[in-house]
Amino acid sequence: EVQLVESGGGLVKPGGSLRLSCAASGFTFSDAWMGWVRQAPGKGLEWVGRIKSKTEGGTTDYAAPVQGRFTISRDDSKNTLYLQMNSLKTEDTAVYSCTTDKFSGYDLYYWGQGTLVTVSS
Amino acid sequence: QAVLTQPSSLSVSPGASASLTCTLRSGINVGTYRIYWYQQKPGSPPQYLLRYKSDSDKQQGSGVPSRFSGSKDASANAGILLISGLQSEDEADYYCMIWHSSAWVFGGGTKLTVL
Repeated sequence: EVQLVESGGGLVKPGGSLRLSCAASGFTFSDAWMGWVRQAPGKGLEWVGRIKSKTEGGTTDYAAPVQGRFTISRDDSKNTLYLQMNSLKTEDTAVYSCTTDKFSGYDLYYWGQGTLVTVSS
Repeated sequence: QAVLTQPSSLSVSPGASASLTCTLRSGINVGTYRIYWYQQKPGSPPQYLLRYKSDSDKQQGSGVPSRFSGSKDASANAGILLISGLQSEDEADYYCMIWHSSAWVFGGGTKLTVL
């Protein structure tokens, strides 16, 4: 059974930093492109970014609102995906969910439950 | 103007069919895109329903009933999620998505009420 479990959320002040983790299990993590999607309270879904598998270059793509502030990385030895968030703004407040971006012929198929990030003074 | 526009809400009676639309911004041709559909219930992550580009390029999520199907209306430049035989458990938020300009883009979502 595929499982994606996020951690690391919490309350942070504007301008601060936070690192989220996503522990993956139940599939060959190194084969999957992985990503992050966020959802502000009571709002819709917003794509944050993704990282390709190392065999396909391990490169990253980001949404415009987070480009230059957020960094996605992966540790295939630990089956873990990361999201480093810097220069946080109040509008970054959201539940951040880890997803399989491209895996086994499916796009954005598996999702974690998410972890809440609140940016507030 | 948003890339993808969905009606904010839709109410349909049990047993009837619901047609949820996802209209692409002018200048973005629906015919060239795979349209993805997700269902999200309160407190849960989105569930992949299906992907539709054409009748020869479509994909159903594992375990997703066949009463969920995709199509397109080229004249309206829109993707459509059709849910037939509506059940109370279908009450949820539905999101469409495309890959556009090197990013996944979501519609604003439609809240489907079954009453």
